Amino acid sequence: NAGVTQTPKFRILKIGQSMTLQCTQDMNHNYMYWYRQDPGMGLKLIYYSVGAGITDKGEVPNGYNVSRSTTEDFPLRLELAAPSQTSVYFCASNGQGNNEQFFGPGTRLTVL
Amino acid sequence: AQSVTQLGSHVSVSEGALVLLRCNYSSSVPPYLFWYVQYPNQGLQLLLKYTTGATLVKGINGFEAEFKKSETSFHLTKPSAHMSDAAEYFCAVRNFGNEKLTFGTGTRLTIIP
Repeated sequence: NAGVTQTPKFRILKIGQSMTLQCTQDMNHNYMYWYRQDPGMGLKLIYYSVGAGITDKGEVPNGYNVSRSTTEDFPLRLELAAPSQTSVYFCASNGQGNNEQFFGPGTRLTVL
Repeated sequence: AQSVTQLGSHVSVSEGALVLLRCNYSSSVPPYLFWYVQYPNQGLQLLLKYTTGATLVKGINGFEAEFKKSETSFHLTKPSAHMSDAAEYFCAVRNFGNEKLTFGTGTRLTIIP
């Protein structure tokens, strides 16, 4: 199993551009999450999903959108990039009744 | 809303010395508790977790943590630090019936040769 994979690893965007961060897991997990990590702030939940077709906002959803059309994929969309979205983004997943969240390697995004 | 407090954003210990990283949580009921480790430029990896049962939990790489309900704490310890332990450590909590994790702000551990 590859676990949780994320693409791209790095990206530089200009203000106002849009992009999609990809996340795929091959563990047949129902639950998937997007976090952002900023220095000294820990991880903040952006959006999460409890299964295909079901998504919900986390703690910091503004400026982001998600979709969950399949169990495996949970892309995160930035429509109008802003410097405040410069961060490291992590995708994670866990199965029903499984307490451990498995994390991807992250995407480092810079908005200039 | 529950919260997690990690005392000390940076901790330095000498190689071979005791490692103690502190975590306190606020929750009306005993939650599930986790410690994750993040090595430079990598994702988070589970070190150990407490769900139910024995309050002293052993994890990977010689780490352990003890759930103390009366102190609402879940401190992480390792008897003898190794250079490879240098990383950032995150405490997290999850309430029963809720899959979402709440993370602390992290503690960066530096090992002094």
